[in-house]
Amino acid sequence: DTGVSQDPRHKITKRGQNVTFRCDPISEHNRLYWYRQTLGQGPEFLTYFQNEAQLEKSRLLSDRFSAERPKGSFSTLEIQRTEQGDSAMYLCASSLGNRDRGLGALHFGNGTRLTVT
Amino acid sequence: QQQVKQSPQSLIVQKGGISIINCAYENTAFDYFPWYQQFPGKGPALLIAIRPDVSEKKEGRFTISFNKSAKQFSLHIMDSQPGDSATYFCAARRREGSTLGRLYFGRGTQLTVWP
Repeated sequence: DTGVSQDPRHKITKRGQNVTFRCDPISEHNRLYWYRQTLGQGPEFLTYFQNEAQLEKSRLLSDRFSAERPKGSFSTLEIQRTEQGDSAMYLCASSLGNRDRGLGALHFGNGTRLTVT
Repeated sequence: QQQVKQSPQSLIVQKGGISIINCAYENTAFDYFPWYQQFPGKGPALLIAIRPDVSEKKEGRFTISFNKSAKQFSLHIMDSQPGDSATYFCAARRREGSTLGRLYFGRGTQLTVWP
């Protein structure tokens, strides 16, 4: 399967703990996105990278959140001092950013479901 | 503020019927309108997409109708099947600057197709 891969699929953590999620995009995709989805809502944009450069961050991404894509391949999303309100599905997506045909065609992984107790 | 407004929130259709989901937007800078399908426990998957220079796009049983002047677009699923039961999201993308590629999603429509 050459789709977007996310790990772990599920994470349960206690409030105040730090968590880190990993995303492996489709190999030839240079753009990588993080979205958050809560129950009954559509995905909400958090941040995105073109290669290793983080080009935009949403206001939803508080100081407790940090994302990296060190070599322009996989990415990590870390949440420090987790709060109950962080409980959500964290989705990673990738796309081709250098061809008009690929723009907007985001390919999503199956997400990491975070539960903060 | 919701950039893309989607309705209805839920939809029940009999097998073989037509499912219609509607979306509306205000931002005229949007230039790409995809629809995503999501099954429980899975990420959203691209279903079909349209650009504002055409009024309709059809792929198999799925059709997008686009009304640029009204700033509305809709998804029609013909001959709906139980396997189509899923949550559907409309989305939109702005064309300019560093936000290129970022999608704004509607809140979703949960479709149930009864056999």
